[in-house]
Amino acid sequence: AQSVAQPEDQVNVAEGNPLTVKCTYSVSGNPYLFWYVQYPNRGLQFLLKYITGDNLVKGSYGFEAEFNKSQTSFHLKKPSALVSDSALYFCAVSLNRDDKIIFGKGTRLHILP
Amino acid sequence: KAGVTQTPRYLIKTRGQQVTLSCSPISGHRSVSWYQQTPGQGLQFLFEYFSETQRNKGNFPGRFSGRQFSNSRSEMNVSTLELGDSALYLCASSLSPPSNEQFFGPGTRLTVL
Repeated sequence: AQSVAQPEDQVNVAEGNPLTVKCTYSVSGNPYLFWYVQYPNRGLQFLLKYITGDNLVKGSYGFEAEFNKSQTSFHLKKPSALVSDSALYFCAVSLNRDDKIIFGKGTRLHILP
Repeated sequence: KAGVTQTPRYLIKTRGQQVTLSCSPISGHRSVSWYQQTPGQGLQFLFEYFSETQRNKGNFPGRFSGRQFSNSRSEMNVSTLELGDSALYLCASSLSPPSNEQFFGPGTRLTVL
């Protein structure tokens, strides 16, 4: 069975600094990996996904994620954080294109002005 | 195009009662997934429906059930409510399969007293 772990409940970053939100996964085969974001009082929104190809995936709002097969990680990154990036971020994994999507417990990102 | 809608937005029930939640997907989306969101457990997958068939199922007891209608609208039902069922229930729709971008509704906040 697939699983995903987000080792940090909360991450604090100063505005303008680079940010990283960590995610590791456990799945046999080649995973489908996702990042979603939940802003306060707004629904969950898709940020990006990795299926195959280039290990660096670019997504919405200037975010990108790096797939590392040897470390089974899919960390979310942004070169320069904005206060408006403060939100709850979820990493998710799926076994294949038709399988259920399993979400992590989420990481709350605080960008400090 | 209208987004995913969920009704009702808020519900208060007492233990032992049952509840039905409704989800209307984005027009043209045939896959509907349901998730339970709680602060401690994050997002947990309940089930996914496609063309009126349950295609994927999470690890929830049989008290949790769902169905999908021919117009892709979906309902989930929870019988014999327990205090621990208090949560935000999120519905997401996607063009099949679920590994496509999922669009989430605002959720139904269920409180069990």
